[in-house]
Amino acid sequence: NAGVTQTPKFQVLKTGQSMTLQCAQDMNHEYMSWYRQDPGMGLRLIHYSVGAGITDQGEVPNGYNVSRSTTEDFPLRLLSAAPSQTSVYFCASSYSRQGRNEQFFGPGTRLTVL
Amino acid sequence: ILNVEQSPQSLHVQEGDSTNFTCSFPSSNFYALHWYRWETAKSPEALFVMTLNGDEKKKGRISATLNTKEGYSYLYIKGSQPEDSATYLCAFRVDSNYQLIWGAGTKLIIKP
Repeated sequence: NAGVTQTPKFQVLKTGQSMTLQCAQDMNHEYMSWYRQDPGMGLRLIHYSVGAGITDQGEVPNGYNVSRSTTEDFPLRLLSAAPSQTSVYFCASSYSRQGRNEQFFGPGTRLTVL
Repeated sequence: ILNVEQSPQSLHVQEGDSTNFTCSFPSSNFYALHWYRWETAKSPEALFVMTLNGDEKKKGRISATLNTKEGYSYLYIKGSQPEDSATYLCAFRVDSNYQLIWGAGTKLIIKP
């Protein structure tokens, strides 16, 4: 199993540009989520999904969209990049939505918005 | 607003010494408490998922305890080794939604 994969690993955008961060898992996990990690702060949940076709907002959803058309894929779209979105982004998945299963993390995407 | 506090923020420990740190969380509507280890340039990896008051879990030299009534969990490392250097994260879930709330972590540095 590849586990959770994310692409790209690094990205530089200009303010106003849009892009999609890709996330895929091959473990048939029900629950997938996107976090951002900023210095001195805990992981903050952007969006999550409890199954194909079901998504919901987390703590910091503004400026981001997600979709979950398949169990495997959970892309994160930045609609119009802003410098405040400079961060490290992690995708994670877990077996069930119940929250009593460990989360598996992807390697992260380091995004810089100029 | 739900908040998870971890203390201390950072910790320097001599190799061979034992250490512990704390995760504090709201005691109401408890559902689960997670501990993760996050090494530099890697992704967080799960250590424990704890669900019952009084739970104690152990993995090698690392163990954790849980007190849901007072809202805290301790992580213990016995006989610290250089490979234990990492940031240790805890995350808390209430029973009413699917979100994990994360602490900012305790950064552990083991001095040889």
